[in-house]
Amino acid sequence: LAKTTQPISMDSYEGQEVNITCSHNNIATNDYITWYQQFPSQGPRFIIQGYKTKVTNEVASLFIPADRKSSTLSLPRVSLSDTAVYYCLVVNSGNTPLVFGKGTRLSVIA
Amino acid sequence: DTAVSQTPKYLVTQMGNDKSIKCEQNLGHDTMYWYKQDSKKFLKIMFSYNNKELIINETVPNRFSPKSPDKAHLNLHINSLELGDSAVYFCASSQTGVQPRQYFGPGTRLTVT
Repeated sequence: LAKTTQPISMDSYEGQEVNITCSHNNIATNDYITWYQQFPSQGPRFIIQGYKTKVTNEVASLFIPADRKSSTLSLPRVSLSDTAVYYCLVVNSGNTPLVFGKGTRLSVIA
Repeated sequence: DTAVSQTPKYLVTQMGNDKSIKCEQNLGHDTMYWYKQDSKKFLKIMFSYNNKELIINETVPNRFSPKSPDKAHLNLHINSLELGDSAVYFCASSQTGVQPRQYFGPGTRLTVT
């Protein structure tokens, strides 16, 4: 599975847009890019998944350039409750286990 | 209704004991997993079951034995507990498909003293 690299931590003020970039240079043709969020003392929660271009849901947007070697998770107008660890993962179609990296610890400040 | 549930939420026990953690999912999924998150917060796969059959068994001591009585349940039994087994254990489930997403349980914090 493709290895991912993302910043260890980020800080943001409430109300700002936060963009977390992830690199996955060895992504394969049948791989998808998936982001999970984990709050303290909770299990990871699926946020968004995409294959190419742009995906948007009620929580976030995911931007994937044409070469798919990186992706950017965009969280609009963050609040204190968005403070969590965000994991970028590359997954293929199938029930393969998720390979988690260290994630990005986002701290939202009032 | 909780999609993926685990019991117990907390488990404190002494070295050498045997303990079990239970997991149930009511999503109708065909695949279930056990992950371990250690003190450094690394989350790693331990086992994966599809339709009650073991399909992935990562490098885990054989003191750990998963059991899946049916597609909705995946239990984890641990023999002869050691200090290094202290961690948070997460159960997850997914459904075979093009873009499967995994649903995680709330975790079981195991402390071995």
